[in-house]
Amino acid sequence: GENVEQHPSTLSVQEGDSAVIKCTYSDSASNYFPWYKQELGKGPQLIIDIRSNVGEKKDQRIAVTLNKTAKHFSLHITETQPEDSAVYFCAASREDKLVFGAGTILRVKS
Amino acid sequence: NAGVTQTPKFRILKIGQSMTLQCAQDMNHNYMYWYRQDPGMGLKLIYYSVGAGITDKGEVPNGYNVSRSTTEDFPLRLELAAPSQTSVYFCASSTGQNYGYTFGSGTRLTVV
Repeated sequence: GENVEQHPSTLSVQEGDSAVIKCTYSDSASNYFPWYKQELGKGPQLIIDIRSNVGEKKDQRIAVTLNKTAKHFSLHITETQPEDSAVYFCAASREDKLVFGAGTILRVKS
Repeated sequence: NAGVTQTPKFRILKIGQSMTLQCAQDMNHNYMYWYRQDPGMGLKLIYYSVGAGITDKGEVPNGYNVSRSTTEDFPLRLELAAPSQTSVYFCASSTGQNYGYTFGSGTRLTVV
């Protein structure tokens, strides 16, 4: 079955710096890769996603890149702000469901 | 548009008690899911459904049951609660395969 590994588990950056979170997946049939942000005490919220026919997608300060050959995808956050502090999860599709990575705690220091 | 609504938000159960966690969505999504999230951990799939009358097990289904009699509702039943079921439970829904999930705000359950 699908296995998704996410790194790093924690990431601290200075406000204004960039943050990068990386995920690898095992099932070459996976073709949908969303990213979620979870703030304390809340449910995860979809922030960006990418499909296998696209290599990169941007939405303001966030971007996601996908390398299907290497089976990895990454989340890039530029000009980080304190409100970006949260837990971020990557996921990969497997049949009728998503398999989630273990999460990355991002701390943005002001 | 309420999205995905979970009730209750908090609950304390005694060992051996039973309860039902409610989940309702108003987006006409066919796909619905139940996840649990233990402290500091990721999301583990308990059960999911691709439409009314259809349910399937996820990776951690033991101790739980579900039903899907309508498109809108997907309740999760805990029978004979155990301390190992202390967790935060999230319900989610989706338009279909390969689409993002909308999550509810969660139910924090403590079994003592």
